[in-house]
Amino acid sequence: DAGVTQSPTHLIKTRGQQVTLRCSPISGHKSVSWYQQVLGQGPQFIFQYYEKEERGRGNFPDRFSARQFPNYSSELNVNALLLGDSALYLCASSIGTVGGQETQYFGPGTRLLVL
Amino acid sequence: GESVGLHLPTLSVQEGDNSIINCAYSNSASDYFIWYKQESGKGPQFIIDIRSNMDKRQGQRVTVLLNKTVKHLSLQIAATQPGDSAVYFCAENFMDTGRRALTFGSGTRLQVQP
Repeated sequence: DAGVTQSPTHLIKTRGQQVTLRCSPISGHKSVSWYQQVLGQGPQFIFQYYEKEERGRGNFPDRFSARQFPNYSSELNVNALLLGDSALYLCASSIGTVGGQETQYFGPGTRLLVL
Repeated sequence: GESVGLHLPTLSVQEGDNSIINCAYSNSASDYFIWYKQESGKGPQFIIDIRSNMDKRQGQRVTVLLNKTVKHLSLQIAATQPGDSAVYFCAENFMDTGRRALTFGSGTRLQVQP
């Protein structure tokens, strides 16, 4: 079975631009989470979606938004890019049992560079 | 906010030796813990997990120990191999207003010397 897939793998943008990152979860998984990983640090939680609804949001500005589609894939949008948004953006999927202690499986990430 | 932290940023071991990577967590409400391995240019890869009602769990060549009294987690890798070289993260998980986000530490780099 395919794991979590993300596209694109790499992206270069300039300050002020907007970017959309895409994620397809593992087949059968209904929950998708997004994380930002700055070089040298652990991933930081941005969003979690389940059944197309936002379940949680981390400490990120409103420039960050996301959505989940009926097929459980997801998009992360970042507006008005700043240099500090340069990072590896990771998508993780999980089965999606409400309140469950479940493993999140990560994709390879999209590396975003803002110039 | 509360976070997961690691004691050693870099651990260097000889091939064949056992490795122990330590992690301290601060949220007493955390009830699920996961160790991930991340190789350069890749996403975190699940290694092993443990729930708070357990204090030890074993996998293939790996063992996770949980000490809730002192809020400490460790990952033991037996007979470390060059392919084990990577950054290892522990992550804690707890229910927070309906969501279960992972809180990661900054990671420990494991270097295996041949």
